[in-house]
Formats: sequence, C-alpha cells, structure tokens
Amino acid sequence: KNEVEQSPQNLTAQEGEFITINCSYSVGISALHWLQQHPGGGIVSLFMLSSGKKKHGRLIATINIQEKHSSLHITASHPRDSAVYICAVSPRGAQKLVFGQGTRLTINP
Amino acid sequence: AAGVIQSPRHLIKEKRETATLKCYPIPRHDTVYWYQQGPGQDPQFLISFYEKMQSDKGSIPDRFSAQQFSDYHSELNMSSLELGDSALYFCASSLVSGTSSTGELFFGEGSRLTVL
Repeated sequence: KNEVEQSPQNLTAQEGEFITINCSYSVGISALHWLQQHPGGGIVSLFMLSSGKKKHGRLIATINIQEKHSSLHITASHPRDSAVYICAVSPRGAQKLVFGQGTRLTINP
Repeated sequence: AAGVIQSPRHLIKEKRETATLKCYPIPRHDTVYWYQQGPGQDPQFLISFYEKMQSDKGSIPDRFSAQQFSDYHSELNMSSLELGDSALYFCASSLVSGTSSTGELFFGEGSRLTVL
C-alpha cells in the first residue's frame, strides 16, 4: 500500500463545476504539499499545509492531521485548470517528498 | 524573480555513457532535492542536500552520484546509463524553516534524459 493515496485518479468535469481531489497518507508528516503538473512536465507548488486551511484564488486546500487526510478544492473550474494534481508529504524529520500517484483533471468547455 | 534553473533541458545519450545534470537553486535557498519521473510514473525522490551536505537519500542507484557545491548549485552525475534511466529529472529548492522539514518547494522545469 502506498504511503500517499489520492482519489480519484482521473476526473473529467464541465467548466464551472466544483472540483474536489482527496489525499490520504499513512506516515507522520511535517507538511503536506499540493502540486500541479502541466503536460509539458513542469511542476508548480500550489500549497504547503501543516494544519487547517489555505486559500489562493479559486483554490482551497484543507488538512486534517488527526485523520491524515487532505483535500484540494477548485471552485468555478476552467479548462486552464486541466493538469495533473499531485499530493506529496514531507515525512517528519526527513528532507524529501513522498508523492501520491496524481489526479489527472480535465475540464471541458 | 529568479526561479530554479536546470540544465540541460534535454539530453540524449547512448547506453553505458555518462550524463551530468545541473541545478541552480533560488538564491538564498539552502536545500536542494532531486527527483526522477519515468514515463507515466510518479516522481521518485533520489537525494537531497542541506547546506552542502547530503541530508536524505532515496531510491538512487549506485551508478548515480550527486553533490552540492559552495555556491549551492547541485550536480547529478549518472554513469553506465541504462535504457530505464530515461526520465524527467526534477530539481527543487527550498529554505528550510519553521516546523516543516522541507519548507516550501520550488521546482525547476526538469531535464529530460533519453537513453538510446
């Protein structure tokens, strides 16, 4: 079983829909990261969370440390949001990321 | 603002050859990470450096070595290349602070290695 599990693996939605991507992990962490990878391969860090909730524009990320679970929400989704969204955790005391398998999101106009 | 710079962006090598990838972190960042992402795969952690010392090690083959220099840039050296080494190699940098063991990460665009 992977240390970081994401769901769903693939998600297709219509423009304007509210999107939720889930991430569960099994190790103690110092932080959880949500990353975005576009088809060209470049990775952009969206959020780093250690507790609570963060919001940036139409993106919202939450984390529940007790339940070892995080969610990434996209409001008013747009075709330019189409990308692979990756959840990754920083295990406590380790200087590395452990990646989930990613969620491929496609937003149709 | 300066980002993480990786070079070369693309590299084609033959089996058994050697390749060197370079990473220039964001100025004043003290930590560099290397990741390997094979075709259709999740990124896998290879190695990290904090203040020029190796800080963590992942699934890095013995044929690979890396170091961080006095100017904080890092190089990943890969020898006796195999077909399975074909991948996108990402470098990321951060300034480790607070309670996170990694800090907020900034990724380079990646170096795509193709081994023929």
